[in-house]
Amino acid sequence: AQRVTQPEKLLSVFKGAPVELKCNYSYSGSPELFWYVQYSRQRLQLLLRHISRESIKGFTADLNKGETSFHLKKPFAQEEDSAMYYCALPSGGSQGNLIFGKGTKLSVKP
Amino acid sequence: NAGVTQTPKFQVLKTGQSMTLQCAQDMNHNSMYWYRQDPGMGLRLIYYSASEGTTDKGEVPNGYNVSRLNKREFSLRLESAAPSQTSVYFCASSENSGITQYFGPGTRLTVL
Repeated sequence: AQRVTQPEKLLSVFKGAPVELKCNYSYSGSPELFWYVQYSRQRLQLLLRHISRESIKGFTADLNKGETSFHLKKPFAQEEDSAMYYCALPSGGSQGNLIFGKGTKLSVKP
Repeated sequence: NAGVTQTPKFQVLKTGQSMTLQCAQDMNHNSMYWYRQDPGMGLRLIYYSASEGTTDKGEVPNGYNVSRLNKREFSLRLESAAPSQTSVYFCASSENSGITQYFGPGTRLTVL
């Protein structure tokens, strides 16, 4: 069964430090993976999608099929990066919806 | 474009009361979804509609019903609210199932 694991509930770093938010997945086939971000009291919004290979707000994520991971990285964290981050992948089969991880709360301290 | 809109933003119910959460999108998307967000649980899919006229159960459908009124609107109904349904409810839409989903602002529901 498809599954997304985000092992850290909370990640706290200082401004300017590197950030890595972990995401591991279980998927049969070639997955399409997403990172969504939710700033305080706001709606979820797409941060990036692995297929597009973009860098958004300085964040990147590389799909590692060998380690079944899709970690989100940023070399220098900013205070405005403080938010809840969710990793997601399609549920597969005939269902056309996303399975979300439980989320990691990133706190960037000044 | 407003994107995905939800009403109401906040609601307090008593146990046993019923209510309908409304969702609409103006992006001409085929697929729409209802999620609930609970602390430590992430987002869990309640129901989804892959296209107009179809609805399917998600991970946590018990206690809810949905209606895909037309291509734009997808409502979620709680027939007899329970405290366990206290949550933040998000509606989302996508052009086709499984690709990028766009979320509404959420409805914060408290059941006493």
